[in-house]
Amino acid sequence: DGGITQSPKYLFRKEGQNVTLSCEQNLNHDAMYWYRQDPGQGLRLIYYSQIVNDFQKGDIAEGYSVSREKKESFPLTVTSAQKNPTAFYLCASSPQTGSEQYFGPGTRLTVT
Amino acid sequence: GQQVMQIPQYQHVQEGEDFTTYCNSSTTLSNIQWYKQRPGGHPVFLIQLVKSGEVKKQKRLTFQFGEAKKNSSLHITATQTTDVGTYFCLCDGGYQKVTFGIGTKLQVIP
Repeated sequence: DGGITQSPKYLFRKEGQNVTLSCEQNLNHDAMYWYRQDPGQGLRLIYYSQIVNDFQKGDIAEGYSVSREKKESFPLTVTSAQKNPTAFYLCASSPQTGSEQYFGPGTRLTVT
Repeated sequence: GQQVMQIPQYQHVQEGEDFTTYCNSSTTLSNIQWYKQRPGGHPVFLIQLVKSGEVKKQKRLTFQFGEAKKNSSLHITATQTTDVGTYFCLCDGGYQKVTFGIGTKLQVIP
């Protein structure tokens, strides 16, 4: 069954801790994306990757880091430098940049 | 930079009424995509428009791309309760510059 998986669905962390969100796809897509969704703000692009070992900053990359060591995997680390990390995080992939995106179920991160 | 405006932000309609959401970009687009997100869910791809003036239909949904490739609309005829959700446009300005609209949240009253 092809698709994108994100884990965990809910994540709770204390302020000051780094946390890594998982994103895996078995669609053989080259491009992968991370978005942040806040109420009333739509989806904002954090990072994207067009190909393995390459990634680019999106509109709100400060306080986040990513890696793309394998085609299937694009983990996102929310660092303690991110001032307001509580949000719903969505990972997506597409065959190539510019084509339709397939989203994972999302991870809801709460930092207290 | 690319600015995207999507209106309205919220829309309540009686079941059976029509619904339209509009998406406007400050820059010319290479393509525009539309997504639907059900409450508690994740965005699901609906359609991509590429050509100037393009019109595409999916059952009760009609999608249009403006002649200048800077605006688009999604129209739903005779809404049903299954249409409830938030509809987003994704504006692709080329050169890997993609921006989502803020979304239009549709509520359908049975």
